[in-house]
Amino acid sequence: NAGVTQTPKFQVLKTGQSMTLQCAQDMNHNSMYWYRQDPGMGLRLIYYSASEGTTDKGEVPNGYNVSRLNKREFSLRLESAAPSQTSVYFCASSDIQGRPHFGNGTRLTVT
Amino acid sequence: GENVEQHPSTLSVQEGDSAVIKCTYSDSASNYFPWYKQELGKGPQLIIDIRSNVGEKKDQRIAVTLNKTAKHFSLHITETQPEDSAVYFCSAGDSGYALNFGKGTSLLVTP
Repeated sequence: NAGVTQTPKFQVLKTGQSMTLQCAQDMNHNSMYWYRQDPGMGLRLIYYSASEGTTDKGEVPNGYNVSRLNKREFSLRLESAAPSQTSVYFCASSDIQGRPHFGNGTRLTVT
Repeated sequence: GENVEQHPSTLSVQEGDSAVIKCTYSDSASNYFPWYKQELGKGPQLIIDIRSNVGEKKDQRIAVTLNKTAKHFSLHITETQPEDSAVYFCSAGDSGYALNFGKGTSLLVTP
């Protein structure tokens, strides 16, 4: 049981490049989330998906798009990366009791 | 929206001593309060959670207390060990929906 799997683990982009962060969970959870973590800022919600086919904006959605491809997969896309998007990105899914389980993160640097 | 404040930001204790981390929240509608432990290079791991219909919960050396009237909750770790050294995050929200996180407490347990 892998839990929440994120790919890639590390990525370096140049300003203006695009990329998609992938996330998959094998726990049959309905809800999935994308957070970013910056030093001294805790975890801030970018987007979430309460169920397959639905997505909603979180606290810091600007510059990002998401796709809930199916129940297992929830991807995060940066269309035109900016240095301010340098961060560690965490995907999470929550069980029927609402307990979020996190992946190990993608460390993104935008130069 | 929900605002979660966490104190202290850093905490150093001797092995065997107790550690206490405190959080406050602003939204009286919040009913779910999980705590996470994050080790270097890994994602946050759920260590204990409490719901608003319970005042205290204990799991071996870890306990959490909740005061709904005062809107604060605390994490207590007894008999600390070096492997307890990590960053701890409190969070608050509505179970099944996205959570809001504190900014974290870096706990160091010295032998």
